[in-house]
Order: sequence, then structure tokens, then C-alpha cells
Amino acid sequence: QSVLTQPPSVSGAPGQRVTISCTGSRANIGAGYDVHWYQQLPGTAPKLLIYTNYIRPSGVPDRFSGSNSGTSASLAISGLQAEDEADYYCQSYDSLSGSVFGTGTKVTVL
Amino acid sequence: QITLKESGPTLVKPTQTLTLTCSFSGFSLSTSGEGVGWIRQPPGKALEWLALIYWDDKRYSPSLRRRLTITKDTSKNQVVLTMTNMDPVDTATYHCALAPGGDYFDYWGQGTLVTVSS
Repeated sequence: QSVLTQPPSVSGAPGQRVTISCTGSRANIGAGYDVHWYQQLPGTAPKLLIYTNYIRPSGVPDRFSGSNSGTSASLAISGLQAEDEADYYCQSYDSLSGSVFGTGTKVTVL
Repeated sequence: QITLKESGPTLVKPTQTLTLTCSFSGFSLSTSGEGVGWIRQPPGKALEWLALIYWDDKRYSPSLRRRLTITKDTSKNQVVLTMTNMDPVDTATYHCALAPGGDYFDYWGQGTLVTVSS
């Protein structure tokens, strides 16, 4: 099991705002290591969504935003759209485990 | 245009050694800062970071370090991952990806499914 814990699922209606948490510890996020986020649509490779905590790569809508606080990080999706239905993963560095991905969260658009 | 593509066997037997090749274009591992990593995903499960190679450094998952070797051939634009003593729990889609200068990955290969079964 990963050292970064995410809720298994979150859901929301179109247009709503949802947040996905990534809970770590003082050995990873709490130590100041950067957090990155990926979106994985069914049957496809992951896509970088947010890097270095809050930076969006070119082409990623500003509906996606990242933030950190203490030993946790969050990904927010505002104005939820049907195309956002996917699995989302956080990634960071852990002083004992090396680079790690979170447990993953499935976002369902109601 | 940056592309990465994984190749290797789709089926290996328990205890065998897996060798996967990542062939890439659009960047060079002789450039300081860029790296290529391997990430796997068992069916229906989460991503797992395996290894990462830069032009002058290699890093491994501590839990799999004894079984993994990552190498590069800059003349061929390839990165090779070997994993020894394969077990059915190693059944997964294996991806290679570009790390542009941190430990995050901004370009990914499509992945290759490796099944471990006798």
C-alpha cells in the first residue's frame, strides 16, 4: 500500500467543484517534497495534470488546480465536465520509499 | 515531437527475467536534467514507480531495488529495464515516461502488458 492515501472515489454533478485529497506524512509531503497530479482516462496512459504542486502544463484547463497544506495535497476540479471522469493519481517523494504514487481516486460525473 | 514506446515479451514464466526496452524520440538522454523512468500498473490497481535513469544517475524503488537494473543506450535512444525473478504478482502494464527535470513525468508511452504465468 502506498504512503500517499487518496479517497477511492469522489463524485459530482456537471458544473460542480470536487476536490481530491492526497494524504501523506512528514516523510514526504510534510517534508516539503513537490506533489504532482495525473489524470488517467480508461484504457490510456496517465497524463500530467499538475506539476510542482500547482503548475499546469500547457493545454491543461485552468479548471484544474493544485495546492498543498502540511502533510497533504489537494487537486480541485471546478466546473466538472463529463470528460473529467477518470482516475487521478498524486505523486511525490518519500524519504524512505523514494518516488511514490498515491492510491488513486476515481472521479465519477453524475 | 516527443514519443516513447515500450517493447518486450507479453508473457514470461515465473522465476524468469523480464527485459523491457523503451525507444524514444524527440529528446536526448545525453542532455543534463532529462531522465526516463519506468512505472507499472497491475490490472485495476494503482501506479507504481520502479526506476529512473538520468544521463549521470540511476534511481530505484527501494522495495524492488534488488531485482531491477536500468540502463541506457544514448546512441540508440533507448532505455532498458530488467527485472529478475518474475512472479505472477508482477503482472502489469509497464510504462516508460520522460522526466523533464524533476521526478514527474510529462510524456508517457502507451504501455505494454506483461503477464507472468506458467
